[in-house]
Amino acid sequence: DAGVIQSPRHEVTEMGQEVTLRCKPISGHNSLFWYRQTMMRGLELLIYFNNNVPIDDSGMPEDRFSAKMPNASFSTLKIQPSEPRDSAVYFCASSQERSGNTIYFGEGSWLTVV
Amino acid sequence: QKEVEQDPGPLSVPEGAIVSLNCTYSNSAFQYFMWYRQYSRKGPELLMYTYSSGNKEDGRFTAQVDKSSKYISLFIRDSQPSDSATYLCAMSAYSWGKLQFGAGTQVVVTP
Repeated sequence: DAGVIQSPRHEVTEMGQEVTLRCKPISGHNSLFWYRQTMMRGLELLIYFNNNVPIDDSGMPEDRFSAKMPNASFSTLKIQPSEPRDSAVYFCASSQERSGNTIYFGEGSWLTVV
Repeated sequence: QKEVEQDPGPLSVPEGAIVSLNCTYSNSAFQYFMWYRQYSRKGPELLMYTYSSGNKEDGRFTAQVDKSSKYISLFIRDSQPSDSATYLCAMSAYSWGKLQFGAGTQVVVTP
């Protein structure tokens, strides 16, 4: 089975530009998570969806961040406008609701905002 | 105070030694406990999963949960250089939904 697929793997962008990160969860998984990882703050949950519906977005840092899940096989995380402090690794993860909360991570999108 | 505390290390051990990792937590509602391994520039991968208290063994890995002390441990026996990675504990109160992660402990196994 294919794992969680994220794109792009690496992105370097200028401050003020829009950034869109994409995620395809594991087929059959009905929960999707967006995490951000930095040296200073570790792994932080930004938002998670269950059955395509946002359940908890309390971790989204500010209005510049938005996430969508238009269908069960695709999600986006958008940052507009981007700032240097957004530089981090963004992970998408998915799980199956009745799996006992075992979630599977993608390889991450490495974002650098200059 | 963070909900989950984990010493970031680094923890350096010689090949063949036992690696001992642990996390403490403050939320008594947590009952699902996991350990993830993260290699450099990779996503975390699930290593061990335990529900409630007790021990679980899988090959060279043993996970222990002591809910009375709010303390979980991971032991790696006969450590190998390939075990060099960051190990993150994670936990939750429910069987689904978000996990609370520790900061991760960097482990270096030297040949």
